[in-house]
Amino acid sequence: KQEVTQIPAALSVPEGENLVLNCSFTDSAIYNLQWFRQDPGKGLTSLLLIQSSQREQTSGRLNASLDKSSGRSTLYIAASQPGDSATYLCAVRAAGNKLTFGGGTRVLVKP
Amino acid sequence: DADVTQTPRNRITKTGKRIMLECSQTKGHDRMYWYRQDPGLGLRLIYYSFDVKDINKGEISDGYSVSRQAQAKFSLSLESAIPNQTALYFCATSDPGPQTSGGRTDTQYFGPGTRLTVL
Repeated sequence: KQEVTQIPAALSVPEGENLVLNCSFTDSAIYNLQWFRQDPGKGLTSLLLIQSSQREQTSGRLNASLDKSSGRSTLYIAASQPGDSATYLCAVRAAGNKLTFGGGTRVLVKP
Repeated sequence: DADVTQTPRNRITKTGKRIMLECSQTKGHDRMYWYRQDPGLGLRLIYYSFDVKDINKGEISDGYSVSRQAQAKFSLSLESAIPNQTALYFCATSDPGPQTSGGRTDTQYFGPGTRLTVL
C-alpha cells in the first residue's frame, strides 16, 4: 500500500527566505506526483505536476523535483512572501488511477 | 463563478441523522471524486465516478453512499451519521488529459470543502 509522508508538519520562516518542503513515498511505481496548496476555507489548488519520466517542473518561484528511485520529491519556493502562507500537500498517482496524499506541511511566512 | 461548488459549506448534525452533501461542476469533466480530510492527515478517497453509470469505492467507503445524478452532479450521503465522520469533505473533478509516457496527467480540481460536525 502506497504511503506518502511530509516532514515537517509545520514550518515557520521569515519573509525572503527560501522554503524547502519534503515529500516521500513508499512505492516508486507512480505515474505522477502533484503538489497542491490549501488555504483555509478554500479547496486545494494544483501547483505543479511532475510526470514519472520527469526530474523537475518549474512555475515562477516554484520548483519541484522528483527522484522516483528514492521515493522523494522536494518543493522549493524562492524568496518566500507572507502570501505563501498555506498548507502544502503532495500526492502521488499510481496504478488504479487514484491519488494518495501526504498529511501536508503548514507554512507560515512572517513579515 | 466557481467551477466546482459544494453545498452546504458548513453543517452541524446529530448522531443517527441522514446527511447529504452535494457537489456540482461546470468544468464538463466526466470524473468526479469525494474525499475526506481529518486534522493533520491527508485527503482520503471515499468514492469516485468516471462517468454517470460508473461508481467505485475508495479506501474508506464504509458508512457512506453516493449518487451520480448527472455528469455535473455527484452527491455524498451519510445514512446514519456518527461522530467519527466529523471532518472536512472535498469534492473534486478531473479530465484525464493526454496520454504521455508517464500516463495521463488527470489533474484534479477541488471544491471549497464542506465542514461537517456530527455531535
